Amino acid sequence: DTGVSQDPRHKITKRGQNVTFRCDPISEHNRLYWYRQTLGQGPEFLTYFQNEAQLEKSRLLSDRFSAERPKGSFSTLEIQRTEQGDSAMYLCASSLTGSKLEQFFGPGTRLTVL
Amino acid sequence: TQLLEQSPQFLSIQEGENLTVYCNSSSVFSSLQWYRQEPGEGPVLLVTVVTGGEVKKLKRLTFQFGDARKDSSLHITAAQPGDTGLYLCAPNSGGSNYKLTFGKGTLLTVNP
Repeated sequence: DTGVSQDPRHKITKRGQNVTFRCDPISEHNRLYWYRQTLGQGPEFLTYFQNEAQLEKSRLLSDRFSAERPKGSFSTLEIQRTEQGDSAMYLCASSLTGSKLEQFFGPGTRLTVL
Repeated sequence: TQLLEQSPQFLSIQEGENLTVYCNSSSVFSSLQWYRQEPGEGPVLLVTVVTGGEVKKLKRLTFQFGDARKDSSLHITAAQPGDTGLYLCAPNSGGSNYKLTFGKGTLLTVNP
């Protein structure tokens, strides 16, 4: 049974660099979500896809952030011109439509911006 | 915007003790999920509660959804070191049917 996978698990970058993270959801799940979690906080919603359509973006998602899910399967989250405040755990989750919001999370990508 | 409170924020107990953590809001929820998160990992879904007054058991964990569907509790009997983690509640207020809003969580440490 393959759950949600994320790559890389850890990323250290210098301020101003671009980074890209990948998420592979559970294969039959048509919904995919990105969340960000900082120390001492619960995950915060960033954006959501149903199949390949990006249906909502949080105000947390500045124009330096972009997410794609081109074929309705895996998704990428890119952060351009990273800032120290972007340091966080980036979590991906997937679910089926009408599944009582039961989202299944990946292990996350820990981003550290120096 | 709903206000979601989880309490206590931190809890450190000895193996074998019982504990209860709480998730409270001023809003009515249509459903609520509990997750456990270990350091450096993503949250793992424990349970979904839907009906007011509902009680669900998962081995030594008992989850209760308040009658008014504004609050929930998680009770652990005879805690074990493997129960250590961040317990997060994530209610759905019904206004959006896709994104989760998490509390800050309760960080539980069970000492051997």
